[in-house]
Amino acid sequence: KAGVTQTPRYLIKTRGQQVTLSCSPISGHRSVSWYQQTPGQGLQFLFEYFSETQRNKGNFPGRFSGRQFSNSRSEMNVSTLELGDSALYLCASSLAPGLAGVDTQYFGPGTRLTVL
Amino acid sequence: GQQVMQIPQYQHVQEGEDFTTYCNSSTTLSNIQWYKQRPGGHPVFLIQLVKSGEVKKQKRLTFQFGEAKKNSSLHITATQTTDVGTYFCAGPSSASKIIFGSGTRLSIRP
Repeated sequence: KAGVTQTPRYLIKTRGQQVTLSCSPISGHRSVSWYQQTPGQGLQFLFEYFSETQRNKGNFPGRFSGRQFSNSRSEMNVSTLELGDSALYLCASSLAPGLAGVDTQYFGPGTRLTVL
Repeated sequence: GQQVMQIPQYQHVQEGEDFTTYCNSSTTLSNIQWYKQRPGGHPVFLIQLVKSGEVKKQKRLTFQFGEAKKNSSLHITATQTTDVGTYFCAGPSSASKIIFGSGTRLSIRP
C-alpha cells in the first residue's frame, strides 16, 4: 500500500505571496492532519480534516487554511507569507479520528517551505 | 495551557550504551504515542500506550506509561547506529487534536 504523498517536496516563496500544498493520504484513510515543524517551535498541529470537514484546529492565524476533497486528498493554503512561515509542513493520515484520543498518524515526507 | 515536555533535549551516547528519554505532561493523558524521526525524515509511529502503568517492549525498546498517566518513558538498551534520530511523545490535546513533546535528539558515537 502506498504511503502518504506530499507535493511539492520543496518550495521557495517570497514574503507576501501565497502557497498551496497538497497531500494524498494512504488509500482508505479518511482523516488528514497537517503539522508545522520548525527548530524553534517543534512539531505543531495545524488542523485536521475528516469527511471534507475541519474537525480540529490548532493555534495558528487565519492565514493558514485547508480543505479536503471527496477522495480524502487535502490541500493547505498559506496566504500573505511571512519569514516565520519557513518550515517543514507535514501531512499525516489516519483511518479515522480517534474516538478516545488520537488515532495512529502516518506521516508523509513533508514539504520544505522557504520564505525569502 | 497544556504542555508536554521531554528531557533531555539532546543525548549523545557511545554505541552499545543505553538511552532513556522522559516525557512529562502537565495534564492527564488518555493515551500517549511515541514517534521516531530520522535525520531528514518524517515522524514514524512507534507505539501507543493506553493503560496506567503499562509497559510495552519492542525488541531493544521499552516504553512505560506512568501510573498517573502524566508521564512516560522510552528506554533503548544497547543502542545501535540505526537508533539515531529524534524521539517524540504525543498525546491528545484539549486545545487541538494532538500535542507533541519537544523531542529528544539521540546521536551515537560508533
